[in-house]
Amino acid sequence: AQSVTQLGSHVSVSEGALVLLRCNYSSSVPPYLFWYVQYPNQGLQLLLKYTTGATLVKGINGFEAEFKKSETSFHLTKPSAHMSDAAEYFCAVSEGLTGGGNKLTFGTGTQLKVEL
Amino acid sequence: DGGITQSPKYLFRKEGQNVTLSCEQNLNHDAMYWYRQDPGQGLRLIYYSQIVNDFQKGDIAEGYSVSREKKESFPLTVTSAQKNPTAFYLCASRKGLAGPLDTQYFGPGTRLTVL
Repeated sequence: AQSVTQLGSHVSVSEGALVLLRCNYSSSVPPYLFWYVQYPNQGLQLLLKYTTGATLVKGINGFEAEFKKSETSFHLTKPSAHMSDAAEYFCAVSEGLTGGGNKLTFGTGTQLKVEL
Repeated sequence: DGGITQSPKYLFRKEGQNVTLSCEQNLNHDAMYWYRQDPGQGLRLIYYSQIVNDFQKGDIAEGYSVSREKKESFPLTVTSAQKNPTAFYLCASRKGLAGPLDTQYFGPGTRLTVL
């Protein structure tokens, strides 16, 4: 069974500071990993995903994440936070067809606050 | 524009009533999903469908029902058997059966409140 743990339900950073959102996963097979962003009362938008190949994945809006198998982690980073980054971020894992229907299992989310 | 539409955006229901949430996509996607979102709990899968006329239960299917009569439509009915239906409901779709290389795209959601 697959699972995701997001450490820190709320993270606050200053504008221009580094953003680091943590995600650890558990999977019985090589995982596929995703980060989504959600703005208030809206659906989710894909930021980036790791399937195979390069472990450092670049996404939209300047975000990137690194897949570290030894640490079972997929932390999301951005060098310089912008006010528009304030949103809720979700990490998700899929075991592909092995897991049945390519289902995604989501973490509980991290609310990012960006302060002036 | 291609995308996923959910209606209505806000829905109010009295206890004991069934209610149906609409999800339509014009992306020609094969697979569709329904999630429930509660504060602090992330998204939980209710039902999913990979092809027309077929669907499977997710992790929290009790008190919900779905149908998939058309490729573009995947309505969710919240029945009176669902004990705590107040939540934000999200519909998603994915292109095909090629694995997680296909991204799940999400609709804007429906907020259901039981009065």
